Amino acid sequence: QQPVQSPQAVILREGEDAVINCSSSKALYSVHWYRQKHGEAPVFLMILLKGGEQKGHEKISASFNEKKQQSSLYLTASQLSYSGTYFCGTEMTGTGGFKTIFGAGTRLFVKA
Amino acid sequence: DTEVTQTPKHLVMGMTNKKSLKCEQHMGHRAMYWYKQKAKKPPELMFVYSYEKLSINESVPSRFSPECPNSSLLNLHLHALQPEDSALYLCASSQDAGDSAGNTIYFGEGSWLTVV
Repeated sequence: QQPVQSPQAVILREGEDAVINCSSSKALYSVHWYRQKHGEAPVFLMILLKGGEQKGHEKISASFNEKKQQSSLYLTASQLSYSGTYFCGTEMTGTGGFKTIFGAGTRLFVKA
Repeated sequence: DTEVTQTPKHLVMGMTNKKSLKCEQHMGHRAMYWYKQKAKKPPELMFVYSYEKLSINESVPSRFSPECPNSSLLNLHLHALQPEDSALYLCASSQDAGDSAGNTIYFGEGSWLTVV
């Protein structure tokens, strides 16, 4: 039921790009992306609702392929502030209604 | 800054103690959540309240007892916890929950709980 994220960890130099993937074996209604810094709460980045939808947030964008049940987060020209753990959350329905379940996370470290 | 406020930020309690975690939001959201997060793990859903009613309980042990006094407040009552319950407890809220998708979840800063 938990979405699968890859890679588990990424180390980048400032200015490099990265892609984080999220996939599910179950039908997805939406995909959420969050970033969590050490000792802090997860911070919402974006939500994707429609098949094939792509959204952007500064130099961070994401795509969602509903048919393939996959989403990818694109970080371009990475900055030191991008360091943290990125979680995808997939919204699925069950008893009691919709709920968001998070993947295991991708640890991103950007160095100068 | 998060608009979901949690207190206390840190709590240390013995296994025989009774304590409560509190959460408040003033965004007019109709759904509120409790998540538990262990170190280097993702947030794990515990409870969902929709329109002040408990809609989802993810088979959480009864030593955790949620309460939603009104649409802005959410409590988590703790009793007879075990050391393995030590974790970051995150409260969250969303505009709506239950019968439609697309609910962005906004987290509070969390309450760090240590059970000794």
